[in-house]
Amino acid sequence: DAGVIQSPRHEVTEMGQEVTLRCKPISGHNSLFWYRQTMMRGLELLIYFNNNVPIDDSGMPEDRFSAKMPNASFSTLKIQPSEPRDSAVYFCASSFVRSNTGELFFGEGSRLTVL
Amino acid sequence: QKEVEQDPGPLSVPEGAIVSLNCTYSNSAFQYFMWYRQYSRKGPELLMYTYSSGNKEDGRFTAQVDKSSKYISLFIRDSQPSDSATYLCAMSPRTNAGKSTFGDGTTLTVKP
Repeated sequence: DAGVIQSPRHEVTEMGQEVTLRCKPISGHNSLFWYRQTMMRGLELLIYFNNNVPIDDSGMPEDRFSAKMPNASFSTLKIQPSEPRDSAVYFCASSFVRSNTGELFFGEGSRLTVL
Repeated sequence: QKEVEQDPGPLSVPEGAIVSLNCTYSNSAFQYFMWYRQYSRKGPELLMYTYSSGNKEDGRFTAQVDKSSKYISLFIRDSQPSDSATYLCAMSPRTNAGKSTFGDGTTLTVKP
């Protein structure tokens, strides 16, 4: 299995630009999570989906952030307009909702730098 | 106050040392307790998982959960340089095992 695939791995952009991060979860997994990791705040849950439906987006910091999951094999996280404080590593993770452990399988992350 | 507090570190130990990593939590609904290991510039990977209270051992790693004290620990015996990584505790409620709340992580360096 290829694991969770994220793109791009690195993104450098200027303040005000739109950023789109992409994620392909593990085939057969029906839950998908977007996390953000910074030195100051650690790993924060932004939003998660069950069966492509957004369940909890309470972690999304502002209206500038939006996430979609049009089908079981693809999700996007969009930031528009981007700001320097959005600089972080964004992780996508997937899991099988009936798993006994709730284990999350993480991608390698998208490192975003907003200048 | 955060729901999950983790000893911040960083921690530096000589090879072969016993390492203790700790987290406390405030949400009594947490039933699943996990430790993830994160190597530099990689995503976290599940290392150990425990349901409710008790101990679990896997090779050199032992996870302990004390629900009465809301305290969990990860012990690493005979630590190796390859154990150098950031360790994150994570917890989730029984009703939503996948929605984990993470500690901030403890960075461990094991020196040869």
